[in-house]
Amino acid sequence: TQLLEQSPQFLSIQEGENLTVYCNSSSVFSSLQWYRQEPGEGPVLLVTVVTGGEVKKLKRLTFQFGDARKDSSLHITAAQPGDTGLYLCASWVPGYGKLTFGQGTILTVHP
Amino acid sequence: GAVVSQHPSWVICKSGTSVKIECRSLDFQATTMFWYRQFPKQSLMLMATSNEGSKATYEQGVEKDKFLINHASLTLSTLTVTSAHPEDSSFYICSARVWEKRYGYTFGSGTRLTVV
Repeated sequence: TQLLEQSPQFLSIQEGENLTVYCNSSSVFSSLQWYRQEPGEGPVLLVTVVTGGEVKKLKRLTFQFGDARKDSSLHITAAQPGDTGLYLCASWVPGYGKLTFGQGTILTVHP
Repeated sequence: GAVVSQHPSWVICKSGTSVKIECRSLDFQATTMFWYRQFPKQSLMLMATSNEGSKATYEQGVEKDKFLINHASLTLSTLTVTSAHPEDSSFYICSARVWEKRYGYTFGSGTRLTVV
C-alpha cells in the first residue's frame, strides 16, 4: 500500500502551459515536502508545508497543503523547459524518522 | 550548508564482484543516514536506515547480506553491494537528516551502478 499517492505519473506539455500535480494520502501528516530531481542527480528540496491550508509560492510554483493535512498539490504556471524533471512528494513517517516518497511525476516541457 | 557528498558518481563492475559506495556529511554530523534505490523513471525506494555506531535497519525485502551498510563515524556511511549481479544495476542515493533544520533532509548526488 502506497502511503502517498501521487498523480499524474507522466505529464508532457508545451512551454507556457499550466499544470498541477497531486499528492494524496489517507493518513494525516505533520508536514509534507516536495522535491525536484534531474536525471543522474539526487532530489532537491523545493518546499516543506506544515500547516493545514498553507499555501507557499516559489516563483512560478505554488504549493498547497490540504486543510486536513492529508493531501497537497503543486501548481506550475507558464511552464518552461527548465521545469522538466521528476517531481516527488514526500513525508516523514512519525516514529521512524524516515522519509517516504510518492511514486513521482515525470514532467516534460517541450519548447 | 548541510552537504552530503556521495562517491563514486558512477561505477561499472563485473558480476560477482563487490562495490562500495560512500556517503559523507561534509559540514554536519549525521547520526542517521538513509540509503535509497531508484529505477529509471521511478520514485525512490528506501532500502535501509544507517545508524552511527549500531546496526542498520533494513526495509522489508532488502537482503542484509547483499547490501552491507556500515556507519562507523558521524560523517561517513557506506553501502557495499556484495557479489553484484546485473539485477543490482540501479541508481543508489544516500540521504541524511539535518537535525538543525526541523524538516530538513539532504541528499547525495547518487551513484549509478552498472553490473556487467
